[in-house]
Amino acid sequence: GAGVSQSPSNKVTEKGKDVELRCDPISGHTALYWYRQSLGQGLEFLIYFQGNSAPDKSGLPSDRFSAERTGGSVSTLTIQRTQQEDSAVYLCASSLVDQHGEQFFGPGTRLTVL
Amino acid sequence: GENVEQHPSTLSVQEGDSAVIKCTYSDSASNYFPWYKQELGKGPQLIIDIRSNVGEKKDQRIAVTLNKTAKHFSLHITETQPEDSAVYFCAASIDNDMRFGAGTRLTVKP
Repeated sequence: GAGVSQSPSNKVTEKGKDVELRCDPISGHTALYWYRQSLGQGLEFLIYFQGNSAPDKSGLPSDRFSAERTGGSVSTLTIQRTQQEDSAVYLCASSLVDQHGEQFFGPGTRLTVL
Repeated sequence: GENVEQHPSTLSVQEGDSAVIKCTYSDSASNYFPWYKQELGKGPQLIIDIRSNVGEKKDQRIAVTLNKTAKHFSLHITETQPEDSAVYFCAASIDNDMRFGAGTRLTVKP
């Protein structure tokens, strides 16, 4: 079946512009995660949605970052007034809450801020 | 919150040799420990996982061991092949709150 999809696959923007990154989780997966992966680095947790519960935003690096998940499915990560240090690959993952926690990752969006 | 440390950051082995990657975690409540493999330009993919009620799990050339007392777990890859070259991430999870290690770049030289 279809896996996690993300769009766009690549995004180049100018410093100061806003960007929106989209994640389509696997159908039926109620948990959704966003991570940031800087070049050669590990996975930095950003935000976690689980069903209708309030999201865990503890990983968001600044108030320029926000995320929404509408209708319990598609999620959008928004970065306002982008900075060069925001350049990274942004990965989305989804999982079934009632399972063992295995996360299925999308291919990521590579963001470059010039 | 949970903190996961992973070592080494890079590992180079000769084809056919074994590779071992080690991780430690801080929260004794963590109960699920997956390992992910990330190839260039792709998202991480689960390769093996272990729950807290099991000490060891094996799947062909890959095995994972867990020491709950010491709060560490390891990935073992035997008879390495060039296609094993990738970045490997460990993670520790409490329910669905998962935190990752920084990754190990494994290079298998033919």
